[in-house]
Amino acid sequence: KQEVTQIPAALSVPEGENLVLNCSFTDSAIYNLQWFRQDPGKGLTSLLLIQSSQREQTSGRLNASLDKSSGRSTLYIAASQPGDSATYLCAVGTASGYALNFGKGTSLLVTP
Amino acid sequence: SAVISQKPSRDICQRGTSLTIQCQVDSQVTMMFWYRQQPGQSLTLIATANQGSEATYESGFVIDKFPISRPNLTFSTLTVSNMSPEDSSIYLCSVEDFGEGGNEQFFGPGTRLTVL
Repeated sequence: KQEVTQIPAALSVPEGENLVLNCSFTDSAIYNLQWFRQDPGKGLTSLLLIQSSQREQTSGRLNASLDKSSGRSTLYIAASQPGDSATYLCAVGTASGYALNFGKGTSLLVTP
Repeated sequence: SAVISQKPSRDICQRGTSLTIQCQVDSQVTMMFWYRQQPGQSLTLIATANQGSEATYESGFVIDKFPISRPNLTFSTLTVSNMSPEDSSIYLCSVEDFGEGGNEQFFGPGTRLTVL
C-alpha cells in the first residue's frame, strides 16, 4: 500500500519568507500527485497537479516538483503571506479511477 | 473541472441516529469517492461508488454502518448509521474529472458532523 509522509507536520514563518513543504511516498509507480490546501473545518482546494511524466508545475507563487525515482515531491511557496496559513496536503494517485492516498499534512502559519 | 456540492454543510446529531449526506456534481462522472477526516487527522477513504453497482468499501468500513447510494452519474449519498461520538468527522466526497492538466480529483466542501 502506498504510504505518504509529509514533513514538517507544522511550520511557522514570518510573512515574506520563502518556504518548502516536503512529501515522500513509498511506491514510485504513481499516476499523479496533487497538492491541496485545506482551511480549518473546510473542504480541499486543489493547488497543483503533477502527472507522473512531469517534473514540476507552477501556479503563481506556488511551485511543485516531482522526483518519482526518489519518491519525493516538494511544494515551494514564494514570498509567503498571512493568507497562506492553512494545512497543505499531498496526495498520490496510483491509477486513473482510483482514490488518492493522503499524507497527514503540514499545518502552516504565516505571521504578519 | 467538476464542481461539487454537499448537503448538509454541518450537523449536530444525537448518538444512535442516522444522517444522510448528499453529494451533487455538475457533470457526469464515473467514479465518486467518500472520505472521512477525523479531528486532527488526514483523509481516509471510506468507499468508492460506481453508478449501477454496489460501492466498494475499504478495510474497516462496512455497508451496514455506511450505506452508499449512487443512482446516477451526478449524485451519491452516504449514510452514517447508528452514530456514536467516534463518528464525529468531516465527510467529503470527491470525483475524478478532466481538468486543465489532465485527470485530477476534485472535492466537495465537506459535511462537518458532530455526534453528541
